[in-house]
Amino acid sequence: KAGVTQTPRYLIKTRGQQVTLSCSPISGHRSVSWYQQTPGQGLQFLFEYFSETQRNKGNFPGRFSGRQFSNSRSEMNVSTLELGDSALYLCASSPMTSGTHEQYFGPGTRLTVT
Amino acid sequence: AQSVTQLDSQVPVFEEAPVELRCNYSSSVSVYLFWYVQYPNQGLQLLLKYLSGSTLVESINGFEAEFNKSQTSFHLRKPSVHISDTAEYFCAVSVGGYQKVTFGTGTKLQVIP
Repeated sequence: KAGVTQTPRYLIKTRGQQVTLSCSPISGHRSVSWYQQTPGQGLQFLFEYFSETQRNKGNFPGRFSGRQFSNSRSEMNVSTLELGDSALYLCASSPMTSGTHEQYFGPGTRLTVT
Repeated sequence: AQSVTQLDSQVPVFEEAPVELRCNYSSSVSVYLFWYVQYPNQGLQLLLKYLSGSTLVESINGFEAEFNKSQTSFHLRKPSVHISDTAEYFCAVSVGGYQKVTFGTGTKLQVIP
């Protein structure tokens, strides 16, 4: 099976702009989670989607949003970008077998805000 | 809610020496436990997992972790490290169901030649 893919891998944006990141989970995986990783804050949970519904949400402002499509692919959007949004954004999918939440991560999208 | 503590942010160790990366968790219910590894400029990879059964779990590259319920720990060990083990290691806990996975803050393992 192909792994989790994320596009684009690298992105440079300007403050005030918005950005959309895409994630394609492993075939058959219905749960997709998003994380923000920075040197200062570490790995922080953004949100999780399961069957097109947001099931869990982290403590991020409303500028961060996401959605999941019927084929389980997911997108996250950040509006009105700030310098502090520069980070590695990781997507992870889970097979949800037995509800164990073991996750498989994509390579990430490196977002730089200037 | 569950939580994970990785007390060591960095662990330097000489090549071929043993290493232990510590992980403690807090939860009022039964848990599933994971170790993930992140190599530079990559995403996280699942290293090993404890779901049930034997408390000692092993990975294919020589790491092992032991679930200790009384001490609420899931420490990661390797008897002899290699340069290629240099990476950041994350401990994670899940209680299953609809709850999200909680990750620790990570431990950077630096293997010194």
